Amino acid sequence: GEDVEQSLFLSVREGDSSVINCTYTDSSSTYLYWYKQEPGAGLQLLTYIFSNMDMKQDQRLTVLLNKKDKHLSLRIADTQTGDSAIYFCAERDGHYNAGNMLTFGGGTRLMVKP
Amino acid sequence: NAGVTQTPKFRILKIGQSMTLQCAQDMNHNYMYWYRQDPGMGLKLIYYSVGAGITDKGEVPNGYNVSRSTTEDFPLRLELAAPSQTSVYFCASSKLAAHQQFFGPGTRLTVL
Repeated sequence: GEDVEQSLFLSVREGDSSVINCTYTDSSSTYLYWYKQEPGAGLQLLTYIFSNMDMKQDQRLTVLLNKKDKHLSLRIADTQTGDSAIYFCAERDGHYNAGNMLTFGGGTRLMVKP
Repeated sequence: NAGVTQTPKFRILKIGQSMTLQCAQDMNHNYMYWYRQDPGMGLKLIYYSVGAGITDKGEVPNGYNVSRSTTEDFPLRLELAAPSQTSVYFCASSKLAAHQQFFGPGTRLTVL
């Protein structure tokens, strides 16, 4: 099956930029997503990028997509303590019979130190 | 809008017991999903539905059943609980297939 990989942990200081990385194997991905999960809560969609784009900016968030290397990153500018959470990368399978499925990475725990 | 709601928040089951996890959404979404999240892992899709009366298996359906009699509700049934089903269960919904899913707060289930 398809695979999505993320590093487990990232620690940054408040005010610095955070970069969370993700690699995936599905060359037919149509959309790629970043979700945020705060302790004890469900996942919240942060942003997404269509596979024919290479960058998307949304306020403090910048998503970069390198389709050739199947690499996705999420940059959070001016990281705040409220950004501490687990961040999940997910890809939407482009195959017709799997169009209802997302494949999630294992999540990256971001810790922001004051 | 309440969004996606799930009940109960927590539950402890004994091996062999059965239970139903409830999920409801008030956004008139056609697509609904059940996921499980094991510690340190990403979410795995159990079942999904593309509309009332239509359900299909996801990646890990064994040991579970679903029904979708209305657009709003998508209950998940565990018939014979096993320790391997200890997990956090999330329900989600979306207007378009798999796109921009909204998640409920989750149900933490322990099977002893």
